[in-house]
Amino acid sequence: SAVISQKPSRDICQRGTSLTIQCQVDSQVTMMFWYRQQPGQSLTLIATANQGSEATYESGFVIDKFPISRPNLTFSTLTVSNMSPEDSSIYLCSVARTEKETQYFGPGTRLLVL
Amino acid sequence: GDSVTQMEGPVTLSEEAFLTINCTYTATGYPSLFWYVQYPGEGLQLLLKATKADDKGSNKGFEATYRKETTSFHLEKGSVQVSDSAVYFCALSDRASSTLGRLYFGRGTQLTVWP
Repeated sequence: SAVISQKPSRDICQRGTSLTIQCQVDSQVTMMFWYRQQPGQSLTLIATANQGSEATYESGFVIDKFPISRPNLTFSTLTVSNMSPEDSSIYLCSVARTEKETQYFGPGTRLLVL
Repeated sequence: GDSVTQMEGPVTLSEEAFLTINCTYTATGYPSLFWYVQYPGEGLQLLLKATKADDKGSNKGFEATYRKETTSFHLEKGSVQVSDSAVYFCALSDRASSTLGRLYFGRGTQLTVWP
């Protein structure tokens, strides 16, 4: 398994502002994903973070709202831009060494937008 | 498309009771199946997995069998403990998916165990 950390662990933000969430892994991984878990709901994939290329977004999610960086094989950031209360969620990153291997999750970032 | 249907919660049990959480799936290819657990205030942890039909995943007294004929992966535990109180998510990964490695999750089942 991999050891994954996320920063910040939680934050309270004002609407209209942006927050960047960091995901750090203790080993090199090919696959990194960003998920959203809205209150009382299941996990929804936002995008796949690809090293050296643009992220691949799922239907309903766009780069202008959720820009993602993946500068190397151990680190990624997700920015939640121009936030509204509807963005209040837990944001989780997950990693896998390859697409065939088990995915492991970070502890999550709990975001509340006022 | 791929999807996971999971038993609605919440589930409330007394300690030492038998637990079953139902999970069925739809997949276009040959999925791997997973159970993840989320303890209060924490992220998701992999509980167990099975990668092909008839495989049984097991961990911490929990087990689930990959049943291709019924497209199911039900989670069971013979005797639950208070410390098992958490949200349980069934998930699948489909090697035929257009998004490689993507996990499809069920809605989650909240389990509360009383002493």
